Amino acid sequence: KAGVTQTPRYLIKTRGQQVTLSCSPISGHRSVSWYQQTPGQGLQFLFEYFSETQRNKGNFPGRFSGRQFSNSRSEMNVSTLELGDSALYLCASSLDGGGGPNEQFFGPGTRLTVL
Amino acid sequence: AQSVTQPDIHITVSEGASLELRCNYSYGATPYLFWYVQSPGQGLQLLLKYFSGDTLVQGIKGFEAEFKRSQSSFNLRKPSVHWSDAAEYFCAVGHRGSTLGRLYFGRGTQLTVWP
Repeated sequence: KAGVTQTPRYLIKTRGQQVTLSCSPISGHRSVSWYQQTPGQGLQFLFEYFSETQRNKGNFPGRFSGRQFSNSRSEMNVSTLELGDSALYLCASSLDGGGGPNEQFFGPGTRLTVL
Repeated sequence: AQSVTQPDIHITVSEGASLELRCNYSYGATPYLFWYVQSPGQGLQLLLKYFSGDTLVQGIKGFEAEFKRSQSSFNLRKPSVHWSDAAEYFCAVGHRGSTLGRLYFGRGTQLTVWP
């Protein structure tokens, strides 16, 4: 079974631009979560989508948004990029069978550099 | 507020030596507990998880962890470290209830293995 895939793997943008990152979960997984990883703040939760609906949201500004499609694929968008948005963005999927928590399986991440 | 503490930022051990990585959490009830490992430039790989039941859990690559409710700890252990275990290790906590899709991570412990 294929793992979580994220595209692109690397991105370089300039301040003020916007960016869209894509995540394809493991087949059959319905929950997709996004995390930002930086040396200064560590791993921080951005948001989670389940059945095309945002179910949880972390403490990030409105410049960070996401969505999920009917095939469970997810995208996240960052508008008006700032230097501090440079980070590894990780996507994770889980089965979410409803009986309790399911472990999250992570993709390789998208490394975003903002110049 | 929920928190996960990994007191050791960096640990160095010799190959073949035993290893223990510490993790403490702050949460009002028994959380779901995870250990992940991250190699440079990679996403997170799940090593093991604790949901309920036996407090000593076995994971992949010869790792085990023990949940101690009285100490709010979930320490990771390995009896004999291999050079390939050098990586960064993250402890994570998930909550029962509406925040199923969200994990709270510790800041990580970087493991260096001497030959």
